Formats: sequence, structure tokens, C-alpha cells
Amino acid sequence: SAVISQKPSRDICQRGTSLTIQCQVDSQVTMMFWYRQQPGQSLTLIATANQGSEATYESGFVIDKFPISRPNLTFSTLTVSNMSPEDSSIYLCSVGAAYGYTFGSGTRLTVV
Amino acid sequence: QKEVEQNSGPLSVPEGAIASLNCTYSDRGSQSFFWYRQYSGKSPELIMFIYSNGDKEDGRFTAQLNKASQYVSLLIRDSQPSDSATYLCAVNIPSYGNNRLAFGKGNQVVVIP
Repeated sequence: SAVISQKPSRDICQRGTSLTIQCQVDSQVTMMFWYRQQPGQSLTLIATANQGSEATYESGFVIDKFPISRPNLTFSTLTVSNMSPEDSSIYLCSVGAAYGYTFGSGTRLTVV
Repeated sequence: QKEVEQNSGPLSVPEGAIASLNCTYSDRGSQSFFWYRQYSGKSPELIMFIYSNGDKEDGRFTAQLNKASQYVSLLIRDSQPSDSATYLCAVNIPSYGNNRLAFGKGNQVVVIP
């Protein structure tokens, strides 16, 4: 299965600032997925990122708040913009295959 | 109706016993079903996947799928303290030409030595 390197692993950010999370995959993949896991909750899909096209966002998530880049088949970034304490969560990138989806190690974001 | 439901509360099982976890899903078009294990502070780790009706066994884990009832389960035999974790049921949802993965809220399992 694919190996994903995600960074940063954690950050503490000031309200109103932005944070960009990076994911690097060790193989070429068509789609990359970005999830959010709020404290004590399950995973919620934010968006699906295809190389060469705009990301597809799930209901409740918008591009202005969570812009995504996908410059090539092995890399993607998610930016959390104009952060508020409600954005404090773990953010995870994922890639899929028929046998299952692999996750990055996650970014634990705390907004103060 | 939620896409994936795991309704059981925390499950405490004695070491060596069988832990049984259940999951239902709403989209009849779903074809792929997964169980993930998530230790506290870690990202989810795939432990089982199943596509066909019936049972699939891998070591101490058995996944069971019943598409007619839209039901997936996970059995953990000979439970060990290292099995203490949250188990997430995930279902592949066909969507707008892409497939995305929807997750249940998870079940916490505590194995008591």
C-alpha cells in the first residue's frame, strides 16, 4: 500500500491566521482525499483532490475556507484559512485503492 | 439516515473473549466495506476489507457482510489488551463518478486483562 508523509504533525495557531498542510505520497495516485476528525468524533470528508482539476468539496466545506492544491500525482496541500477555535481538529490526507484507503499520520491543529 | 451507523457504545471484553462490532449502511450501491482500527492519537489503520457476502477471516479478525440487510460486522477472537482501540466501519460511496469513503462514528473496545 502507498506510504504518505504528512506535515506538520501538529501546530498551534493564532485565530485569523492560515495553516497549510502537506501530503506527499510515494507513488502516483489519481485521487487524494482530505478528512477532518474533530475531538471524539469520526472522520468527515472535506474534499477530493484530483490532479489537474479543481477539488470537489463536500457539503459544509468551501474552497475559500479550505483551498486545496494538487500540482502533481504525488502531492497535495490543504490550507485552513482564517482559522477560528472551531477549526481545532486533526486533519488527515488519504489515498485509496481497491483493497483499502491509507491515511497520513495526521496534523493536530489547535487554534487559540 | 446516516450513511454509516455504528450505534453500540463502548465495549468492554475480558482478555481471550470475542469482541463483536456491528455496522449498517444506507447506500445499496456500496460495494466495498472496511474496518479500521484507531489508537488514541494515531491515524486509522486498515485491518479488514470485504466485498462479497459472507465471512472473511484474517488471523483473529473476521468480517461479515450481508448486502441484503446492509450490514457489516467485525469479530475479534481471543481479544488481547493490544486490541483496545476505536474501530471504525467505513463504506465506499459511489459519488459523482468518484468513490469516497464514509465512516461510522466508531466503537471503542476495551480489553480487560
